[in-house]
Amino acid sequence: AQSVSQHNHHVILSEAASLELGCNYSYGGTVNLFWYVQYPGQHLQLLLKYFSGDPLVKGIKGFEAEFIKSKFSFNLRKPSVQWSDTAEYFCAVKPSGTYKYIFGTGTRLKVLA
Amino acid sequence: DTGVSQNPRHKITKRGQNVTFRCDPISEHNRLYWYRQTLGQGPEFLTYFQNEAQLEKSRLLSDRFSAERPKGSFSTLEIQRTEQGDSAMYLCASSLGLAGLQQETQYFGPGTRLLVL
Repeated sequence: AQSVSQHNHHVILSEAASLELGCNYSYGGTVNLFWYVQYPGQHLQLLLKYFSGDPLVKGIKGFEAEFIKSKFSFNLRKPSVQWSDTAEYFCAVKPSGTYKYIFGTGTRLKVLA
Repeated sequence: DTGVSQNPRHKITKRGQNVTFRCDPISEHNRLYWYRQTLGQGPEFLTYFQNEAQLEKSRLLSDRFSAERPKGSFSTLEIQRTEQGDSAMYLCASSLGLAGLQQETQYFGPGTRLLVL
């Protein structure tokens, strides 16, 4: 069955630390890849997306993600986190040809001021 | 606010009752999705509409669940004979999809939190 794994469930960092959140998926075909963020008390919103082309994708607020097809991974990175990045982050995969988005279980990030 | 809206925001019901939730997508969006999210999990896909047509439905969705989008605008999700396991956040998302293109950005609503007693 298709699935998305986010291995880090909770991450605590100090401000200015670098961030990398892991995302791996199980699907052999072409996929579209997404990272969503949910700030406390707010809706889920798109952080960045990959459809094709350059595997290094830049999103909002200084986030980026790299698609490594051979590793079935789409890890999220930010070189220097801020207190305002405290949120829950979800990785999602959409197999090409379907409209079924498959989400990971999420990673709760807490950034200490 | 011109985002996705969902009503009600909270619903408490007794086991066995029927409940209906409404989603109003962003006005020009032709695609609409329903998801369910339980504590500690990510959103779980339930169903997808393109305009008024329900084109994809999760096999996890039991016969007690039904969704409609009669005029291609707002959508309703009904759960019949609710069970305690139905307690969850029900999320709606919409997007503008162009023919032949997979690329889209989903915009999520605030969700309806259901508690079945």
